[in-house]
Amino acid sequence: GQQLNQSPQSMFIQEGEDVSMNCTSSSIFNTWLWYKQEPGEGPVLLIALYKAGELTSNGRLTAQFGITRKDSFLNISASIPSDVGIYFCAGLDHYTGKLIFGQGTTLQVKP
Amino acid sequence: DTGVSQNPRHKITKRGQNVTFRCDPISEHNRLYWYRQTLGQGPEFLTYFQNEAQLEKSRLLSDRFSAERPKGSFSTLEIQRTEQGDSAMYLCASSSDRGGEKLFFGSGTQLSVL
Repeated sequence: GQQLNQSPQSMFIQEGEDVSMNCTSSSIFNTWLWYKQEPGEGPVLLIALYKAGELTSNGRLTAQFGITRKDSFLNISASIPSDVGIYFCAGLDHYTGKLIFGQGTTLQVKP
Repeated sequence: DTGVSQNPRHKITKRGQNVTFRCDPISEHNRLYWYRQTLGQGPEFLTYFQNEAQLEKSRLLSDRFSAERPKGSFSTLEIQRTEQGDSAMYLCASSSDRGGEKLFFGSGTQLSVL
């Protein structure tokens, strides 16, 4: 079945540092999304990507849709303590309409 | 409308009991999804409704699980004869036909089966 692999699994960084994480897939997706989840809450949509090579920003967050359509990247610049959470990538299976999620990257920010 | 609402937020039950969760989607959204999430994992798809029609069911959804959306508005997810392995966060999400890839999630129902 379709699988999304995220790396790193977890990150512990100093406030102010930039963060990079990525997501790779065994199959092609035509739409990629990035979500953030905080403890006890549901995932919140951060960025949606629709075209290979697309680079999209949302404040300090920038995400890219990989050229091969099998990967995506998320960067967070100048991290702050409220960036703490789990970041999930998700690919949309257009045939079934299902979102397939990665296992997440846990981010911790030290003030 | 303040978003997707799920009730209850937490449910503790004994093995063998039945439980039912409710989801109220964003009012103008006609698509509704149920996902399950266990600790350290991403959400896993369970089932999906377009209005009142259940269009897709995961093989994760055993015959003890049933979901309904009778009038195309709120949805319920019932688990019969709960097992300890059913312990998880059950997430509901909704989306519109336009922009259907953008799922908006509720806060989830955390189920603990003792």
